[in-house]
Amino acid sequence: TQLLEQSPQFLSIQEGENLTVYCNSSSVFSSLQWYRQEPGEGPVLLVTVVTGGEVKKLKRLTFQFGDARKDSSLHITAAQPGDTGLYLCAVSDDMRFGAGTRLTVKP
Amino acid sequence: DTGVSQDPRHKITKRGQNVTFRCDPISEHNRLYWYRQTLGQGPEFLTYFQNEAQLEKSRLLSDRFSAERPKGSFSTLEIQRTEQGDSAMYLCASSLASDKYYGYTFGSGTRLTVV
Repeated sequence: TQLLEQSPQFLSIQEGENLTVYCNSSSVFSSLQWYRQEPGEGPVLLVTVVTGGEVKKLKRLTFQFGDARKDSSLHITAAQPGDTGLYLCAVSDDMRFGAGTRLTVKP
Repeated sequence: DTGVSQDPRHKITKRGQNVTFRCDPISEHNRLYWYRQTLGQGPEFLTYFQNEAQLEKSRLLSDRFSAERPKGSFSTLEIQRTEQGDSAMYLCASSLASDKYYGYTFGSGTRLTVV
């Protein structure tokens, strides 16, 4: 069973700032997913990364999969209040989620 | 298709009562998952089905919990003799097993409060 560690646990920033959150493990993954969850709702899939070193962009969000496929990062440029939420990484190999990074973007 | 549906959205029950939740997955998805999420944590895996077969159960799924997917479509999760520690959000998700790099589509969850 692969343990997924997400950091930071909490992040509070001002609108317009940039940020990066991380998902790390000692195990190698075949793929990794990032989700965003709003209060009272289920997580929503943002992206799946598959290849070591892969970079995917979704508007202001940039996702990177580590070369060794053991870690991943999510970078948000010019954060907006609408980006507020819980960001979760997950590995479908064993259906496990990290504990998440709770992001608050203040206007 | 309207996505993954869960019913009810909220359930308040007294300790010791039984509760049952329902999940309707995306119709063409053959895999269905149940997760539990407590405040400040990520979803914790409980069990999953491929079609009607229950293929894996977490040790979190005590003998008071039972899940079924009788016809490979909707699923139910029953908790017997509820305890206060069962209070959580219960999430259902579905996916297509043939999609090698699949992610899950989640429902909005059922929020259980045991008083």
